[in-house]
Amino acid sequence: DIVMTQSPDSLAVSLGERATINCKSSQSLLYSSNNKNYLAWYQQKPGQPPKLLVYWASTRESGVPDRLSGSGSGTDFTLTISGLQAEDVAVYYCQQYYSTPYTFGQGTKLEIK
Amino acid sequence: EVQLVESGGGLVQPGGSLRLSCAASGFTFSSYEMNWVRQAPGKGLEWVSYISRGGSTTYYADSVKGRFTISRDNAKNSLYLQMNSLRAEDTAVYYCAREGIRFGELIDAFDIWGQGTMVTVSS
Repeated sequence: DIVMTQSPDSLAVSLGERATINCKSSQSLLYSSNNKNYLAWYQQKPGQPPKLLVYWASTRESGVPDRLSGSGSGTDFTLTISGLQAEDVAVYYCQQYYSTPYTFGQGTKLEIK
Repeated sequence: EVQLVESGGGLVQPGGSLRLSCAASGFTFSSYEMNWVRQAPGKGLEWVSYISRGGSTTYYADSVKGRFTISRDNAKNSLYLQMNSLRAEDTAVYYCAREGIRFGELIDAFDIWGQGTMVTVSS
């Protein structure tokens, strides 16, 4: 199974500043035939289901603000939130869908400092 | 409106069974691959099972293999999860989730989620 490890587990950032969440996979998520990384990022607020933010590691989902961006390739990925706003307080998860069992990172809790 | 609505959760004794349902609306259900994902109270997300568009291909997490069965009825726009031999560690909110399609291409990430249904396994 592919193990997904996020860092940090929690993060406190001041309003307007940048938040960076890292995700590392135990094997490459880059599919050579199409050159796509099978990595997604989700945001989950209390009492709500997860919301897709980014897929293919760096493609922003429709409606997601452009201050959220995904990057990385292979085994190392990053979700960056620029200009942090109060509405960004949530738990963020990375997920690999390269192979089953699909696996999620343990989550990163983002708070306002 | 594109929507997934789960039902069928509740309190069940260890060793018991439950059948979860997920009703899809607002999109052509038969065109999408579907999954179940669960979240234990205060914990992270755990993928449970996958089913292909026609239902012929299924995958399971090792933690539920042999006990849970995923199925779908495209005529009824519905996804199911039959859960047998339930254990305390199966206690969680169960979400159904759709694998997305963008510009005709499968993106495989989960773009639509239901609100979830709570399953509690306890005596």
